[in-house]
Amino acid sequence: EDQVTQSPEALRLQEGESSSLNCSYTVSGLRGLFWYRQDPGKGPEFLFTLYSAGEEKEKERLKATLTKKESFLHITAPKPEDSATYLCAVHLSGAGSYQLTFGKGTKLSVIP
Amino acid sequence: EAQVTQNPRYLITVTGKKLTVTCSQNMNHEYMSWYRQDPGLGLRQIYYSMNVEVTDKGDVPEGYKVSRKEKRNFPLILESPSPNQTSLYFCASSLIHKDTQYFGPGTRLTVL
Repeated sequence: EDQVTQSPEALRLQEGESSSLNCSYTVSGLRGLFWYRQDPGKGPEFLFTLYSAGEEKEKERLKATLTKKESFLHITAPKPEDSATYLCAVHLSGAGSYQLTFGKGTKLSVIP
Repeated sequence: EAQVTQNPRYLITVTGKKLTVTCSQNMNHEYMSWYRQDPGLGLRQIYYSMNVEVTDKGDVPEGYKVSRKEKRNFPLILESPSPNQTSLYFCASSLIHKDTQYFGPGTRLTVL
């Protein structure tokens, strides 16, 4: 069973059409949740880190929120340049606490 | 400029021919890690290093070796590559293990 699940797998939006991406995790002991953006063939680029439920962070058209079992990446009025795969990763306490566990990502396409 | 570098960026080789992918960071980070990324499977951790001379297995270590003799360098060694190691490889580093990880540009490896 996947510990980190991202949905949807793919999302097509019209330019300006706001939406949200979801990242849910099934394990307890969250020490940090990370959002990355990845363009094709390139390394993941760091966006946000969230540490506790209720925390929110914003950057331009992106806003990340965290609850006890999931995180949302809200995209407001997206532009074509926001097209990318968005990855979520969790850092857990206990066994495996030195590792990041990644979800499989949401591929976002923003159509002009 | 703070960065993680990897070399080579692209490599085509044949089964059984030993190869090394280098990774270097200039941020004085203690933690370094190697991932592979495959379609449908996402990013999976191969090995990580908490500090010089301290390395440990990630989720998919079979067929790989690493070493950490200097803080800035963390090479990935494939002693006898096989076609199932064809993948996109990323090196990452962070100040300590629970901090944000910063990724290199990737190495696309093809084993024939």
